[in-house]
Amino acid sequence: EDQVTQSPEALRLQEGESSSLNCSYTVSGLRGLFWYRQDPGKGPEFLFTLYSAGEEKEKERLKATLTKKESFLHITAPKPEDSATYLCAVRNAGNMLTFGGGTRLMVKP
Amino acid sequence: DTEVTQTPKHLVMGMTNKKSLKCEQHMGHRAMYWYKQKAKKPPELMFVYSYEKLSINESVPSRFSPECPNSSLLNLHLHALQPEDSALYLCASSVRGEGVMNTEAFFGQGTRLTVV
Repeated sequence: EDQVTQSPEALRLQEGESSSLNCSYTVSGLRGLFWYRQDPGKGPEFLFTLYSAGEEKEKERLKATLTKKESFLHITAPKPEDSATYLCAVRNAGNMLTFGGGTRLMVKP
Repeated sequence: DTEVTQTPKHLVMGMTNKKSLKCEQHMGHRAMYWYKQKAKKPPELMFVYSYEKLSINESVPSRFSPECPNSSLLNLHLHALQPEDSALYLCASSVRGEGVMNTEAFFGQGTRLTVV
């Protein structure tokens, strides 16, 4: 059974204080690891797709990296508008998408 | 355009009502999904349609009935729901095809369902 574990569950940062979110996974035949941002009461917003170990993607203050066992979402100099829940998901060879529990990020001014 | 549109945004229904949730995408995606999300929990997969055929049903109770009338539309018919079925229902779609690597799923904004 595929498993995705995200840590920490919640993270409070001061504006400008860089940090990383972790996503550990076990999956049968990885067909992609995905990062999403979700605001309260809204649908997940797609951020990144990573397919193979060593791959990196960047978007504004966010950078996602991938190894064979985990992925990191690095947040550089976060702003209050980066506050959201960040979800990690993996797709297996059977087209099943499994989500982790998410990390609730709060950035204070 | 990476938009998945869900209607209605909010729905309140009694336990004896019959209602439907609708989802539409015009990205040419041939895989469409229904997810259920409770507060502070990740989305849970309910159904997957691939080329308008139901390919995955995650042991969802029969009071939830999915339908895919064509490649752009996905419905979820609701009947005799329970209060514990109250949640955010999310629709998603992704590219699917021969020789095409499955890509990311794009989500709609969800329907907030309350069963009273």
